[in-house]
Amino acid sequence: QKEVEQNSGPLSVPEGAIASLNCTYSDRGSQSFFWYRQYSGKSPELIMFIYSNGDKEDGRFTAQLNKASQYVSLLIRDSQPSDSATYLCAVTGFQKLVFGTGTRLLVSP
Amino acid sequence: SAVISQKPSRDICQRGTSLTIQCQVDSQVTMMFWYRQQPGQSLTLIATANQGSEATYESGFVIDKFPISRPNLTFSTLTVSNMSPEDSSIYLCSVIADTQYFGPGTRLTVL
Repeated sequence: QKEVEQNSGPLSVPEGAIASLNCTYSDRGSQSFFWYRQYSGKSPELIMFIYSNGDKEDGRFTAQLNKASQYVSLLIRDSQPSDSATYLCAVTGFQKLVFGTGTRLLVSP
Repeated sequence: SAVISQKPSRDICQRGTSLTIQCQVDSQVTMMFWYRQQPGQSLTLIATANQGSEATYESGFVIDKFPISRPNLTFSTLTVSNMSPEDSSIYLCSVIADTQYFGPGTRLTVL
């Protein structure tokens, strides 16, 4: 089993819709969870991080964490074509970040 | 925050040669890492660059192939040695300041 799993996609949503990106992880001891966005040919940039169970909102983005189910998600409201990118889930383990393979999101005008 | 620069931004190299990638940070940071991102894949941690001591390598990566230097808290180098086409990848420097930041990457193509 991979340490951090994501559906590779692509996930296609129309402009204005809610995009839901999911991630599961295997290490129950993981404490911190991150979502990065990576545009093609660019390096990853941090969107959000979450430490506690529940929801954390920042603008159009909401991160959701359920440690019992070892599941973290990212919701993007009012999706825009500029949100089209690969979204990487990352989880801390033994003082390092472990990345998932990423989900490619396509937002169509 | 932290601003990271890498040199070179890209290079095309011949099989069997070596390339050294430089990473410069605009502030002193304790934790500095080197990642590899192969085409169509996610990031894989190569090693943690430790200031004043040998780097800590992840499983599957060895010092002879990827020697790392970290002479101070703002600078590190990664060398890709005796390159083969399988080393073609993007190499990213990363640091932890208030959160984790990534450099712009070095796109390496080995012919």
